[in-house]
Amino acid sequence: AQRVTQVQPTGSSQWGEEVTLDCSYETSEYFYRIFWYRQLFSGEMVFLIYQPSFDTQNQRSGRYSVVFQKSFKSISLVISASQPEDSGTYFCALSELIFGGYKVVFGSGTRLLVSP
Amino acid sequence: EAAVTQSPRNKVAVTGGKVTLSCNQTNNHNNMYWYRQDTGHGLRLIHYSYGAGSTEKGDIPDGYKASRPSQENFSLILELATPSQTSVYFCASGDAGTDNYAEQFFGPGTRLTVL
Repeated sequence: AQRVTQVQPTGSSQWGEEVTLDCSYETSEYFYRIFWYRQLFSGEMVFLIYQPSFDTQNQRSGRYSVVFQKSFKSISLVISASQPEDSGTYFCALSELIFGGYKVVFGSGTRLLVSP
Repeated sequence: EAAVTQSPRNKVAVTGGKVTLSCNQTNNHNNMYWYRQDTGHGLRLIHYSYGAGSTEKGDIPDGYKASRPSQENFSLILELATPSQTSVYFCASGDAGTDNYAEQFFGPGTRLTVL
């Protein structure tokens, strides 16, 4: 069964602080990918970073990085030096290759507010 | 630039009516998806497709049908709309990519209200 859980419905930080958002998932596949997206207040979805299951190295992209704990089926998004512009809802998504195509399911999201 | 468009952007329908939401992508992606977004639930997968002529059930397919007549177009059909289907619907496309990662590209969303 494929499932993604984000247990923090909301989060907050002050400008400049490091923020960690958690995600856990269930999968029976060996090869999969975890994506992080941010949804702007306009509704637009913005891709942030992804982690392939076969890569043991934590991925980094600018101020975004992940802490990937494959054995625990857990992955956290870390935002360094958070800014008010980082406010929005963050979604974790699990992508699996099934029958020649990719099925992608999302968590319920974490709404982050970064204060100036 | 990848592009996913949805029409209509806003729709008000009556209970029991038929609603069709359309999605078009110019990315030449094989995979397309329909999600609905409700407060507290995030994005929930309704139907998806691996390519023209294919449709697969997602996690919440009841009350919805999908159609993929071409690589570019993917429709979501509510044969008998109900107020519980009031939501924001997002279409997305995605593919394996050159380094085997499959970022999704999202449309702007359709706000559907069923009265």
